[in-house]
Amino acid sequence: GQNIDQPTEMTATEGAIVQINCTYQTSGFNGLFWYQQHAGEAPTFLSYNVLDGLEEKGRFSSFLSRSKGYSYLLLKELQMKDSASYLCAASNQAGTALIFGKGTTLSVSS
Amino acid sequence: DAGITQSPRHKVTETGTPVTLRCHQTENHRYMYWYRQDPGHGLRLIHYSYGVKDTDKGEVSDGYSVSRSKTEDFLLTLESATSSQTSVYFCAISESGVISELFNEQFFGPGTRLTVL
Repeated sequence: GQNIDQPTEMTATEGAIVQINCTYQTSGFNGLFWYQQHAGEAPTFLSYNVLDGLEEKGRFSSFLSRSKGYSYLLLKELQMKDSASYLCAASNQAGTALIFGKGTTLSVSS
Repeated sequence: DAGITQSPRHKVTETGTPVTLRCHQTENHRYMYWYRQDPGHGLRLIHYSYGVKDTDKGEVSDGYSVSRSKTEDFLLTLESATSSQTSVYFCAISESGVISELFNEQFFGPGTRLTVL
């Protein structure tokens, strides 16, 4: 079956670094996606990994280990505006759509 | 921003009434998706379309039907709304399917908040 797990909530302070983990069990893996969603808004794309390793994009980085079914999103130099939900997603069994985890709500305090 | 609109943005209806939500895109993307988002469940796929008149079920399709007669429009219908269908509904589009060799980012619409009393 399809299963994606990530922590429900995390807290951090401004300027810190936080790592949000995601483990997945899917068939027909075709990439791991991370989305950001602010309260009351639509999800927006952050990153995509299809090969093992680290993808860096500014303050955000994403890592993938296909053999371990594991990914993480790393947020550096946290800012208050980073308070949001972070959604991990992977391909469904048919490879035609994404299955999302329940999301991790990150609260950044000063 | 990708050109995706959803209508209505908010709707309150009564149990047993039919409801249709509309997703409209101006990007000419082939794939369109309907998700619902509920506390404790995250985003769950209802139905998706991979072309005009080509649709398939997602993980929570019971009680929902869809239609796509034009590339730009994807309709979600609740034939007889129930209180369990109270949710926020998001439409998404993508240029290619997930199994494509091309990178496949999904762009989301602004959402429709539906309340069934």
